[in-house]
Amino acid sequence: DQQVKQNSPSLSVQEGRISILNCDYTNSMFDYFLWYKKYPAEGPTFLISISSIKDKNEDGRFTVFLNKSAKHLSLHIVPSQPGDSAVYFCAATINQAGTALIFGKGTTLSVSS
Amino acid sequence: EPEVTQTPSHQVTQMGQEVILRCVPISNHLYFYWYRQILGQKVEFLVSFYNNEISEKSEIFDDQFSVERPDGSNFTLKIRSTKLEDSAMYFCASRPLTNEQFFGPGTRLTVL
Repeated sequence: DQQVKQNSPSLSVQEGRISILNCDYTNSMFDYFLWYKKYPAEGPTFLISISSIKDKNEDGRFTVFLNKSAKHLSLHIVPSQPGDSAVYFCAATINQAGTALIFGKGTTLSVSS
Repeated sequence: EPEVTQTPSHQVTQMGQEVILRCVPISNHLYFYWYRQILGQKVEFLVSFYNNEISEKSEIFDDQFSVERPDGSNFTLKIRSTKLEDSAMYFCASRPLTNEQFFGPGTRLTVL
């Protein structure tokens, strides 16, 4: 049962353009969402997060949008840079101590110069 | 910037052998986790640890697995009798009071 779904396995974008990565979830108990970036042979690196009490959170070039009614979130990267090329994982959790992160399968972003 | 470290980076073992994967979480973090990623699949939660005890574990974390925090810095994952299907990248993570978990670089476990 996939509680967190990233339906696009890959995305290709030109440098300078916007990258939009999407994520859907099914468990209505999730109330905190995170995006991680992962390079080959490295661990996931935390990028940005959002609580369910918000609908937008911005950090530099990265913005996460949350639509609770649609159980959908997206990560926007503007402008995209070649160094952003990596696998991006959406993760969700329930805001309690020690609760696990549930990950999507990831989207591979390729930014060409 | 403090980071989670893991050793070894790559462990090769024979089926049925015991392995211990080691992690040093970020020093002021309170919660510790193990995840794994089988090649081509998603990152899966194994176990969380807080206040010297397991707080949550997944179905994957059966009796063959155990975790320990033997001292104030190390956090270990032991697999008692490895199986071929245990071959994966194992990631340790830690977090402070906030929800963001910080991951180590991983240990690649290969079971032959």
